[in-house]
Amino acid sequence: GENVEQHPSTLSVQEGDSAVIKCTYSDSASNYFPWYKQELGKRPQLIIDIRSNVGEKKDQRIAVTLNKTAKHFSLHITETQPEDSAVYFCAAGTGFQKLVFGTGTRLLVSP
Amino acid sequence: DAGVIQSPRHEVTEMGQEVTLRCKPISGHNSLFWYRQTMMRGLELLIYFNNNVPIDDSGMPEDRFSAKMPNASFSTLKIQPSEPRDSAVYFCASSPQGTANYGYTFGSGTRLTVV
Repeated sequence: GENVEQHPSTLSVQEGDSAVIKCTYSDSASNYFPWYKQELGKRPQLIIDIRSNVGEKKDQRIAVTLNKTAKHFSLHITETQPEDSAVYFCAAGTGFQKLVFGTGTRLLVSP
Repeated sequence: DAGVIQSPRHEVTEMGQEVTLRCKPISGHNSLFWYRQTMMRGLELLIYFNNNVPIDDSGMPEDRFSAKMPNASFSTLKIQPSEPRDSAVYFCASSPQGTANYGYTFGSGTRLTVV
């Protein structure tokens, strides 16, 4: 079955810096890769996703890249702000199979 | 749309008691998932349903845990008897059928404390 690894487990940056979170997956059949943000005490919420027919997707300060050959995908946050502080989860899935989540990255943005 | 609705938001119970968590998925979503989240173990998938049918319950930790989905708009997760190590936040999520097209929408969660 699918296995998703996520790094780093914690990431501290200064406000205005960029942050990058990386995930690798094992099942070459996976073709859907969402990212979730979970603020303290809140539910995980979908912030961006990418499908296997696309190499990169951007939404304002957030971007996701996908390398299917290497089986890894990354979340990039530019010009970080304190409100970006949260736990971020990557996931991978295909067809009617369940999504498999990474273990999460705790991002702390210091003013 | 009201989103995925879970109840109760908080539950405190004594060890040995039965606990029932409830979830109403988004209307039209055919897949429903139950997750457990703790600091130590992260986000764990317990069980998921497609069209009200349990597809994978390999994440259910013990026979003390059971889940049902009697119709497309309601699911329950039951723990009987409860133990302190069951203390966690339990999330329900739903998705249109086919995870390759859409992500999951999570409910607000139930914070369970077993004393």
